[in-house]
Amino acid sequence: DQQVKQNSPSLSVQEGRISILNCDYTNSMFDYFLWYKKYPAEGPTFLISISSIKDKNEDGRFTVFLNKSAKHLSLHIVPSQPGDSAVYFCAGSGSARQLTFGSGTQLTVLP
Amino acid sequence: ETGVTQTPRHLVMGMTNKKSLKCEQHLGHNAMYWYKQSAKKPLELMFVYNFKEQTENNSVPSRFSPECPNSSHLFLHLHTLQPEDSALYLCASSQGARGRGADTQYFGPGTRLTVL
Repeated sequence: DQQVKQNSPSLSVQEGRISILNCDYTNSMFDYFLWYKKYPAEGPTFLISISSIKDKNEDGRFTVFLNKSAKHLSLHIVPSQPGDSAVYFCAGSGSARQLTFGSGTQLTVLP
Repeated sequence: ETGVTQTPRHLVMGMTNKKSLKCEQHLGHNAMYWYKQSAKKPLELMFVYNFKEQTENNSVPSRFSPECPNSSHLFLHLHTLQPEDSALYLCASSQGARGRGADTQYFGPGTRLTVL
């Protein structure tokens, strides 16, 4: 049973446009959600997080939205840049403060 | 060195070999993790150490044996592996379970393991 799902394995976006990466979860006990970015041959790097009591968190070009009733979160990147091309993982964190990851979405930003 | 380092970066081993993966964190964290990442799958948590004590073992086969001599170092000892164990093995560290808020994990670059 996959508690965190990223149903789109890949996404292509034109440079300068908005990238929207989606994530669904089933575990209502998650109290934080995190997004990580991963380049080939590197480990995932932390991008942005959101508490379950919030519905939005913004950091520069990156904004995460949380819809608790729909058990859905999304990461918006505006404007998208070629250097944003990477695999993006969402993760949920519960009371044990461990992370449960989705399977990732490959974002390609086209110049 | 800063962050989380892992050695070796690549490893090829036969099914009868014994090898070890090493992870070191320079962040002053108290928790360390081993993950397995297979192609097109989510990261699978294998082991968790909090303050050098193993707090999680996600039904990992005994051919994988972790060791955490101190809060900065973590090893994964490998013996009699199977070809399906070929994957990227990632180490991470975090503040640990005694903190508050999101316990953000910081990852090393991983070891690409191939079992022949």
